[in-house]
Amino acid sequence: EPEVTQTPSHQVTQMGQEVILRCVPISNHLYFYWYRQILGQKVEFLVSFYNNEISEKSEIFDDQFSVERPDGSNFTLKIRSTKLEDSAMYFCASRVAGVGYEQYFGPGTRLTVT
Amino acid sequence: AQSVAQPEDQVNVAEGNPLTVKCTYSVSGNPYLFWYVQYPNRGLQFLLKYITGDNLVKGSYGFEAEFNKSQTSFHLKKPSALVSDSALYFCAVRALQSISGGYQKVTFGIGTKLQVIP
Repeated sequence: EPEVTQTPSHQVTQMGQEVILRCVPISNHLYFYWYRQILGQKVEFLVSFYNNEISEKSEIFDDQFSVERPDGSNFTLKIRSTKLEDSAMYFCASRVAGVGYEQYFGPGTRLTVT
Repeated sequence: AQSVAQPEDQVNVAEGNPLTVKCTYSVSGNPYLFWYVQYPNRGLQFLLKYITGDNLVKGSYGFEAEFNKSQTSFHLKKPSALVSDSALYFCAVRALQSISGGYQKVTFGIGTKLQVIP
């Protein structure tokens, strides 16, 4: 069964550094998402992406965040200057086009900012 | 703004007993409702969804959920719990269509930890 994959599984970085989290969505999916989950807290929506542009973003997704689909298969989340409070699990998700279809989630990347 | 409430941080149930994990929602217009399960160190795994039609929806692993529009609830149920059902369960909602007509995000609840006791 096709799966969403994410790399790396764990990323440790120093405050102020840039990180890029990578995702490979399921191949026939057209909608892509990033969520984050701070330890012990709920899953929070960051951004949705469709047709090579951001379709919606949350208030969390400020100017330090950006997303890209550089080559038709990868979907990346870049954090330009990481802060301690960016430490979280970051989940990528994707879904097919159409009304009401569920999102499929990757296993997540644990980002630790020191 | 849409929201999801899962009033119980944790639900404990004996193996073989029925289980219920509660969820209520708030959204403008008609909702899409979802349940996801998260096992330790894993991503969210889709269980079931309500879009329209029959209020009782059946999903993976014997789970089902009942949509109640008047109570704005979408409780997750299973007739007979297994120890392997122990996990974190998330309810999620998405509006049928946003007010602006754009794509509407999915909002997750805070999660309920289900502990099935052998």
